[in-house]
Amino acid sequence: GESVGLHLPTLSVQEGDNSIINCAYSNSASDYFIWYKQESGKGPQFIIDIRSNMDKRQGQRVTVLLNKTVKHLSLQIAATQPGDSAVYFCAEQTDSWGKLQFGAGTQVVVTP
Amino acid sequence: GAGVSQSPRYKVTKRGQDVALRCDPISGHVSLYWYRQALGQGPEFLTYFNYEAQQDKSGLPNDRFSAERPEGSISTLTIQRTEQRDSAMYRCASSLEGLAVNEQFFGPGTRLTVL
Repeated sequence: GESVGLHLPTLSVQEGDNSIINCAYSNSASDYFIWYKQESGKGPQFIIDIRSNMDKRQGQRVTVLLNKTVKHLSLQIAATQPGDSAVYFCAEQTDSWGKLQFGAGTQVVVTP
Repeated sequence: GAGVSQSPRYKVTKRGQDVALRCDPISGHVSLYWYRQALGQGPEFLTYFNYEAQQDKSGLPNDRFSAERPEGSISTLTIQRTEQRDSAMYRCASSLEGLAVNEQFFGPGTRLTVL
């Protein structure tokens, strides 16, 4: 399959450790943010989202933190597993129709 | 259930030829989006449909690019007189509706190579 990880920042994590992926967004008016996971050869897959009226949201093994003051978003993955190896993108919804603007992406590599 | 499908998965064409890329959204999904993704980068918005209406085409690079969704289901992205810089992965996504916060489901993409 194709690789989406070329020229991307890489986070190397040992299996079982926690991962933190950071993202800076651009539009202070954005009110909805999403994290996507993209495995090699596949389309982006939704992980978790958060609205601008929240600063934290938890899912299964994942937590998203939103700091609107500095326009920063982070994704925390607990007890990282080999299946978590992928490229992770943050995205902000920039209008009411669902138009998404994606960040640059971070390649996560899980080592045994 | 069936997800978003796109065809062809791979398309190789010569510079100057026209290409048509097809997207079949998830059944019942009102909103359909086209994105372009360069290697190593996030998807870049091209255009958006709500039912058959093209609500936003601000991301289309130039007038060689057009899209339609005549019956509010299947959509076609057409690139006329292709150029090498058009080479990329073209992705389609659909959601239940756009006028709300709704998850977008992405298809596998069409890899376009212009020689």
